[in-house]
Amino acid sequence: EVQLVETGGGLVQPGRSLKLSCVASGFTFNNYWMSWTRQAPGKGLEWVASITNSGGSTYYPDSVKGRFTISRDNAQNTLYLQMNSLRSEDTATYYCTRWSIRGFDYWGQGVMVTVSS
Amino acid sequence: DVVLTQTPPTLSATIGQSVSISCRSSQSLLDSDGDTYLNWLLQRPGQSPQLLIYSVSNLESGVPNRFSGSGSETDFTLKISGVEAEDLGVYYCMQATHAPFTFGSGTKLEIK
Repeated sequence: EVQLVETGGGLVQPGRSLKLSCVASGFTFNNYWMSWTRQAPGKGLEWVASITNSGGSTYYPDSVKGRFTISRDNAQNTLYLQMNSLRSEDTATYYCTRWSIRGFDYWGQGVMVTVSS
Repeated sequence: DVVLTQTPPTLSATIGQSVSISCRSSQSLLDSDGDTYLNWLLQRPGQSPQLLIYSVSNLESGVPNRFSGSGSETDFTLKISGVEAEDLGVYYCMQATHAPFTFGSGTKLEIK
């Protein structure tokens, strides 16, 4: 059974940093691209970052480019999202998602990040 | 960025009724590789989104066949043939043809 378990969320002040982790199980992690997607409270979904299976290439929308960094440790089956210079508009539930040829086919349960002073 | 416009924003249906949700794209979603990367997801209350349909019309494993997808280029439709109580939630279309990947604003399905 595919499982994606996110950790690392919490309350952080504007301008500070936070690092999210996602531990994957139930599939061969290094065969899949992975992504992070977020959802602000009561709002829709926004793609945040993606990474190739090797970790050699990464992709971001302009809203987080230069502030967020996606990375992975294939030996530990773990995906990361380093978030710097956090803003109030980054407040959201962050989902770890597996990216297959079918799209974002598995989602974690999500982890809440609140940016507030 | 590609804008996906979903209509209606809310939908109220009785059990057994058939409903459709529209997703219109500001650009063609036909990729140069010949595929069209338009997916449909359902987010039930309090849950994470789940994939229902991929590449316009392909049913994800385990998804009931009362769900179907159709469309091309810029106009896409999700149809539920015979709504069941478990279908309530918010439906999103999502495109992965053009970066940045984008989602529709969602259609909330309520059961009467």
